[in-house]
Amino acid sequence: KNQVEQSPQSLIILEGKNCTLQCNYTVSPFSNLRWYKQDTGRGPVSLTIMTFSENTKSNGRYTATLDADTKQSSLHITASQLSDSASYICVVSAENTGNQFYFGTGTSLTVIP
Amino acid sequence: GAGVSQSPRYKVTKRGQDVTLRCDPISSHATLYWYQQALGQGPEFLTYFNYEAQPDKSGLPSDRFSAERPEGSISTLTIQRTEQRDSAMYRCASSLGRTVQNTGELFFGEGSRLTVL
Repeated sequence: KNQVEQSPQSLIILEGKNCTLQCNYTVSPFSNLRWYKQDTGRGPVSLTIMTFSENTKSNGRYTATLDADTKQSSLHITASQLSDSASYICVVSAENTGNQFYFGTGTSLTVIP
Repeated sequence: GAGVSQSPRYKVTKRGQDVTLRCDPISSHATLYWYQQALGQGPEFLTYFNYEAQPDKSGLPSDRFSAERPEGSISTLTIQRTEQRDSAMYRCASSLGRTVQNTGELFFGEGSRLTVL
C-alpha cells in the first residue's frame, strides 16, 4: 500500500533554532516528492520538488534531502522564524498511479519567541 | 485567474441537503484535483480531471459524491444527501501539466469548509 508517514507529529522550537522534519514513504515506483507548507486556514504552498536523481534541494532557509534507496526525506529549517509556524506536508507521487498524490498527515511546527 | 479560487469559503447545511462546491483553477492549467481534508490531517484524494476528462474518481467516498468539469476549466463538486461525516475542508488544486511525472507545481485553493448539521 502506498503510504507517507511523517514525524514528529508536532514540534515546538525557539526562534532562531534549526529543526529537521522527517518523511518516510512506501510509494512505489517513485516519481517525485514534494514538501508543502500549510499556514493555518490556508491552502498548502509548495516548498520543494525532488525527483529520483536529486538528493538535496534548497529554497532559502529550507533544505530538503531525499534518499530514494531508504525511501526517506527530510526537511531542514535553518534559523527558524515565527512565520515558519505552520504544518509541513510531505507529498509523494508514483510512476504508475495516474495522477495520484499521496499526502502525509503533516508535522505541525510552532516557533516561539 | 491569478490563483485557484474556490467558493463558497464556508457552507453550513442540514443533513440530507445537497451542496455544490466550485473551483476556478489557474487559467490554462490542464489538471484539476479535488481533495478532502479533515482537521489535522493531510488532504485525501477524491478525483482529478485532465481538461474535461475524469480519468480517476477512485477517491470519491460514495456515489453521493460527483464532480464535473464540462468545459475543461471550472469544476464543481456535488455532494448529495449530505451526512455529518461529510463535514470537512474540500480543497481544489491545479497544475499546468497533465501528469504527476512532469513535477509541475501544484497550486491549491483556499478551500471550502463544509459543515453538515
